[in-house]
Amino acid sequence: NAGVTQTPKFRILKIGQSMTLQCTQDMNHNYMYWYRQDPGMGLKLIYYSVGAGITDKGEVPNGYNVSRSTTEDFPLRLELAAPSQTSVYFCASSILGSRETQYFGPGTRLLVL
Amino acid sequence: AQKITQTQPGMFVQEKEAVTLDCTYDTSDPSYGLFWYKQPSSGEMIFLIYQGSYDQQNATEGRYSLNFQKARKSANLVISASQLGDSAMYFCAMREEYSGNTPLVFGKGTRLSVIA
Repeated sequence: NAGVTQTPKFRILKIGQSMTLQCTQDMNHNYMYWYRQDPGMGLKLIYYSVGAGITDKGEVPNGYNVSRSTTEDFPLRLELAAPSQTSVYFCASSILGSRETQYFGPGTRLLVL
Repeated sequence: AQKITQTQPGMFVQEKEAVTLDCTYDTSDPSYGLFWYKQPSSGEMIFLIYQGSYDQQNATEGRYSLNFQKARKSANLVISASQLGDSAMYFCAMREEYSGNTPLVFGKGTRLSVIA
């Protein structure tokens, strides 16, 4: 099991460019999440999904889009990148269950200049 | 709405000593879960311990224990016999569990430094 994988590890974008952060999990988890972590801060939820075809907004969804066409993949799309989107992005997944933790990917560090 | 508060931006502890990291929470949901994660300088998020709101006993996992005081809405992490490898950011998080796995809400974290 690779767990949760994210690509790329690091990316520099120019203002106004777009990109897709990839997230894949091989644990057959229904739930998937995208968080961002700004320097010195905790994680904030961007979007999440409870299964293929179902997505919902989190606390900070503006400037992002997601899709969930398969159980395994949950890509995060940035349109018109802005310096405020400079952050570390974590993807996570979990199964349903009150004692079940979320499993996190290694993160993608994004710098928008 | 849920909220997690970690009031200690940074903590120092001598190697082999115990340390308590504070966490208070707020929620109106009667069923919820509390988590602690460790984030070393390499950046990954490592799950440490879980406490359910209906658990009768405090959770323990090796050197980690959770001091759960429901009436005070606190869920402090206790690390016993600190090691140099414990130096990291520690995040308290919670989720409401009445209607399934809602996403986690995180605190701002506490940076722990273990001194030799």
